[in-house]
Amino acid sequence: DAGITQSPRHKVTETGTPVTLRCHQTENHRYMYWYRQDPGHGLRLIHYSYGVKDTDKGEVSDGYSVSRSKTEDFLLTLESATSSQTSVYFCAIKNSGTANTEAFFGQGTRLTVV
Amino acid sequence: AQSVTQLGSHVSVSEGALVLLRCNYSSSVPPYLFWYVQYPNQGLQLLLKYTTGATLVKGINGFEAEFKKSETSFHLTKPSAHMSDAAEYFCAVSGSTGNQFYFGTGTSLTVIP
Repeated sequence: DAGITQSPRHKVTETGTPVTLRCHQTENHRYMYWYRQDPGHGLRLIHYSYGVKDTDKGEVSDGYSVSRSKTEDFLLTLESATSSQTSVYFCAIKNSGTANTEAFFGQGTRLTVV
Repeated sequence: AQSVTQLGSHVSVSEGALVLLRCNYSSSVPPYLFWYVQYPNQGLQLLLKYTTGATLVKGINGFEAEFKKSETSFHLTKPSAHMSDAAEYFCAVSGSTGNQFYFGTGTSLTVIP
């Protein structure tokens, strides 16, 4: 398995509270991604990073922010969690930005907002 | 724009039978196509990918897929299903910039003993 660690693996939080999910990689890959997985939607991109301090929005970025201060860490923050953000979150990494390279995925974080 | 459609959210096959999971894509540029498998409570694992060259692509665990441009399809097959193949399968197309995968909604494969 690619060296990707997501933490926590499971979290239950209350509506309105801030939540931060962490993705840590040991592969020194430049590109990192946060996806959410929901039934009937597959995986959808939230945000991605193409280098330290370089990030951009994906298709479902509202309500989320990200930060990347080091190559190995990519943080996803829900500023004020809502029930619609209950989901499974996956981090992914790529060593190249070219379209023909695959991404490697972490084990996922299951977040429940009550 | 790129998108992927997976026909059939649930597929059941008997052990030893042919597995066929369907994927059709839409892409405004030459597509790069991927199949991923997700076992319960795990992340996604690459099964195979099509970039250029041979249209029949072989992957891990006996799976293969054929890129058919005329049909805009990239169906996944395996000649003989095994119990361990039970999982969720996702087809994906890479965006033109390489910075996003567009995933299908997934197909859950059940293998009946």
